[in-house]
Amino acid sequence: DAGVIQSPRHEVTEMGQEVTLRCKPISGHDYLFWYRQTMMRGLELLIYFNNNVPIDDSGMPEDRFSAKMPNASFSTLKIQPSEPRDSAVYFCASSRDYPYEQYFGPGTRLTVT
Amino acid sequence: EDQVTQSPEALRLQEGESSSLNCSYTVSGLRGLFWYRQDPGKGPEFLFTLYSAGEEKEKERLKATLTKKESFLHITAPKPEDSATYLCAVRSGSARQLTFGSGTQLTVLP
Repeated sequence: DAGVIQSPRHEVTEMGQEVTLRCKPISGHDYLFWYRQTMMRGLELLIYFNNNVPIDDSGMPEDRFSAKMPNASFSTLKIQPSEPRDSAVYFCASSRDYPYEQYFGPGTRLTVT
Repeated sequence: EDQVTQSPEALRLQEGESSSLNCSYTVSGLRGLFWYRQDPGKGPEFLFTLYSAGEEKEKERLKATLTKKESFLHITAPKPEDSATYLCAVRSGSARQLTFGSGTQLTVLP
């Protein structure tokens, strides 16, 4: 299995620009999760989907953040407009309904200047 | 609200010096405790899931144990390649999301 795939691996952008992060979950997994990791706050859940439907987006920090999952093999996390405080590593993870362990992608390191 | 506290924040060991990492948790109805390993610049890598007090799981030099309040990750005769950040997470009730601790950064010196 190829594992969870994320792109790009690194993104550097200027404040105010739109940023789109992409994720391909493991085939057959019903759940997809977006996390953000920073030194200060650790690993935080932003949103998760079940069978392509958003279930809990309470971790999305602001309206500037949005996520979609148009089909079982693709999801995007968009930030518009981006701000320097959005700089972090963003991870996508996927899991089956059971067992519940999540498998993470390699992450996208976002730097907003 | 689920809470996970890991200690110590950082641990330095000599190669071959066994030790344990701690994960204390407060949840309403534990449905799984998960251990992950994270190397610099990479995503967390799944290690173990424990479901009930008294359960133990092993993988090479690692053994995870679970009580009603905490979990330990025992590292026996560690090697430099065991150096990484170890993360603990819990799942409670009917939730699908995991709550992660802040991790223990382990350094094993040759």
